[in-house]
Amino acid sequence: AQKITQTQPGMFVQEKEAVTLDCTYDTSDPSYGLFWYKQPSSGEMIFLIYQGSYDQQNATEGRYSLNFQKARKSANLVISASQLGDSAMYFCAMREGDTGGFKTIFGAGTRLFVKA
Amino acid sequence: DSGVTQTPKHLITATGQRVTLRCSPRSGDLSVYWYQQSLDQGLQFLIQYYNGEERAKGNILERFSAQQFPDLHSELNLSSLELGDSALYFCASSGQGYTDTQYFGPGTRLTVL
Repeated sequence: AQKITQTQPGMFVQEKEAVTLDCTYDTSDPSYGLFWYKQPSSGEMIFLIYQGSYDQQNATEGRYSLNFQKARKSANLVISASQLGDSAMYFCAMREGDTGGFKTIFGAGTRLFVKA
Repeated sequence: DSGVTQTPKHLITATGQRVTLRCSPRSGDLSVYWYQQSLDQGLQFLIQYYNGEERAKGNILERFSAQQFPDLHSELNLSSLELGDSALYFCASSGQGYTDTQYFGPGTRLTVL
């Protein structure tokens, strides 16, 4: 069965420093996609970055990068040069490549606090 | 702006009542997903529709139902509401493949009194 684990309920980081948010997953399907979303206090869910199970290189999107270690089943989000606006809840999600439908599961989330 | 619209933004109702939440997907997206986000359960996948057909089902209660119409908008119907149904309900849309990103709407905050 699918499973996503985010072990850090809360994290603090100093402004302008880098931070890594952990995510591990479990699946028996060789085809899957991993996603990170940001949810600020306003409530909307904002897509950040995607990594496919067959991608050879780690995904990057601006200040966001995904440290994908397939053998360890981890997909950690790295935010470089943190900004005050990065303070938010961050969710890791996985969708398996089941042709019958694309059930997506989310981790419990990590709340990031950026200190000035 | 993700391009996914949801109405209403807020909904306050009483226990036992029935409500309908509406979602319009991004232009070109055929898949619509519904999620429930509550404090104690986190973000839970409810159901997915693709081009009018149900494709995947998650932890959706029997009191809840959904459909996707020919114009691709979707509605989530919640009936016999209980206090525990109070939550933020998100709709998301995506393209056809499992690698396609889901873009979320702003959500509907449901409060059951």
